[in-house]
Amino acid sequence: EVQLVESGGGLVQPGGSLRLSCAASGFTFSTYGMLWVRQAPGKGLEYVSSITNNGRSTYYANSVKGRFTISRDNSKNTLFLQMGSLTAEDMAVYYCTRAQWRAFDIWGQGTMVIVSS
Amino acid sequence: QSALTQPASVSGSPGQSITISCTGTSSDVGGYNYVSWYQQHPGKAPKLMIYEVSNRPSGVPDRFSGSKSGNTASLTISGLQAEDEADYYCSSFTTSNTRVFGGGTRLTVL
Repeated sequence: EVQLVESGGGLVQPGGSLRLSCAASGFTFSTYGMLWVRQAPGKGLEYVSSITNNGRSTYYANSVKGRFTISRDNSKNTLFLQMGSLTAEDMAVYYCTRAQWRAFDIWGQGTMVIVSS
Repeated sequence: QSALTQPASVSGSPGQSITISCTGTSSDVGGYNYVSWYQQHPGKAPKLMIYEVSNRPSGVPDRFSGSKSGNTASLTISGLQAEDEADYYCSSFTTSNTRVFGGGTRLTVL
């Protein structure tokens, strides 16, 4: 079964850091680009970051550029998102998703990030 | 990276057809045939319904169709069913090699 499972979310203080992980299974992870998409409570979907299949190219939304870093370990079928200088505007459910046809065809269940003192 | 523009809400009765629009610019919707649509039920992860403007992934009913004209893409759902009630989001590839989403449209089946 093709599956993405996020982890690492939780409560963090403003200005703090957090590292999200996404474990992939059921497909050849190293052949797909991957992305992070977030959704603030009661709000719409927002693109966060993407990475090519080999990890050589990364892209970011302006809202997170310079604060977040996307990476991957193809030997462990895992995607990461290192988040820093977190603010209340970063509080959201973070979804890991697979890139197919320049779309997002497989989604994880999401992991919640709460930024609060 | 401004969000694509979608109507906040649309509604229709069972069996009817509805269309949701998604307006961007020549840097995203108008510049590429990489518009996709997602359905999201409350508390669930989004589900891909349409990719590359008008293609349906396996398992998506043919009641769902997509199109594009200039900077505006559209999702049409025909023969509305109760289970179609959900939030719908469009997305597009952009010139900066990123993605952009629409603000989302809540579909109510009356």
